[in-house]
Amino acid sequence: NAGVTQTPKFQVLKTGQSMTLQCAQDMNHNSMYWYRQDPGMGLRLIYYSASEGTTDKGEVPNGYNVSRLNKREFSLRLESAAPSQTSVYFCASSPSVGVVMNTEAFFGQGTRLTVV
Amino acid sequence: GENVEQHPSTLSVQEGDSAVIKCTYSDSASNYFPWYKQELGKRPQLIIDIRSNVGEKKDQRIAVTLNKTAKHFSLHITETQPEDSAVYFCAARSSGNTGKLIFGQGTTLQVKP
Repeated sequence: NAGVTQTPKFQVLKTGQSMTLQCAQDMNHNSMYWYRQDPGMGLRLIYYSASEGTTDKGEVPNGYNVSRLNKREFSLRLESAAPSQTSVYFCASSPSVGVVMNTEAFFGQGTRLTVV
Repeated sequence: GENVEQHPSTLSVQEGDSAVIKCTYSDSASNYFPWYKQELGKRPQLIIDIRSNVGEKKDQRIAVTLNKTAKHFSLHITETQPEDSAVYFCAARSSGNTGKLIFGQGTTLQVKP
């Protein structure tokens, strides 16, 4: 059981380049998330998808776009990378949002992105 | 928007002592409060969670308390061990379709042998 799988694990980009981070989960979860982790800043929510076909901005969405391709996959795109986007990116998924169904979010292994 | 504040940012304790980490949240609709542990170079993993209809939950050496009126919740680790050393994150999530999971800034816990 793979859980949440992110690709790639490491990436170096030049300023202005674009790339897409891929995330897939095999737990039949409705909710999926993209976070970035920077020292002293915790995990900051970039974008969120409550279900297939829906996306919502998080705390730090500027410079990013997302696509919820289907129930399994949620991708994060950097159109024109900047050094400020150097970070560790985590994808996560959880079961349906709801009064009774709020349960554990599972994380991918992370993508370490460096923009030079 | 939703906000979660976590304190302290770093905490150093002697092995066997207790550690307490505190969080406050801004969204009164939040009803789910998980705590995650992240070891160096690893992904965050859930260690305990609490729902808004419960005031306290305990799992062996770990306990979480929730005060909905004051909008704060705390993690308590008793009899700390060196393997408890890690970064701990609190989070809050509201119900409904906009139930985003918002994290605090993290606490680096060091347990000295």
